Amino acid sequence: EPEVTQTPSHQVTQMGQEVILRCVPISNHLYFYWYRQILGQKVEFLVSFYNNEISEKSEIFDDQFSVERPDGSNFTLKIRSTKLEDSAMYFCASSDQGQGLYEQYFGPGTRLTVT
Amino acid sequence: GESVGLHLPTLSVQEGDNSIINCAYSNSASDYFIWYKQESGKGPQFIIDIRSNMDKRQGQRVTVLLNKTVKHLSLQIAATQPGDSAVYFCAEGRDKIIFGKGTRLHILP
Repeated sequence: EPEVTQTPSHQVTQMGQEVILRCVPISNHLYFYWYRQILGQKVEFLVSFYNNEISEKSEIFDDQFSVERPDGSNFTLKIRSTKLEDSAMYFCASSDQGQGLYEQYFGPGTRLTVT
Repeated sequence: GESVGLHLPTLSVQEGDNSIINCAYSNSASDYFIWYKQESGKGPQFIIDIRSNMDKRQGQRVTVLLNKTVKHLSLQIAATQPGDSAVYFCAEGRDKIIFGKGTRLHILP
């Protein structure tokens, strides 16, 4: 069964450093998402991406965040200058949305630890 | 304010019994709801969805009920198994998914 993959599984970085989290969505999917989950809390929407542009973003997704689809397979989330409060699990998801199917498939996540 | 929320943070069920996990939502314009299962160390896994023009939808061992009058959603798991042990989230939205707080389901032997 096709699945979303994410690398790395765990990233430790110092406050103020830039990090790039990588995702490979399911190959025929056209809609891509990032979510985050602070330890013990609910999953929060960050951004959705379609047709090479952001379609919606949350208030969490400020100027420090950016997304990119650099090639036909990868989808990345960049945090320019990490803060302690950016420590969380970051999940990538993708969906097809063809024929009214809205199911989003989530990757296993990247645990980001900012020290 | 929160648009979807669960009633109980934890639920303990005897193996083999049926589990019922409840959820309330506040936005009467919400038209698409999803239940996700999250096992420890993994991402959310889609279980079942329901659109607002339906009251009930069944999958394999799972049933989702939607009561639009009281803005209530429930997930029923039949014959609960140890592998059902996880955190369950109700959520709404087609593109931007809004997750509720989870209910941790414990399976008692």
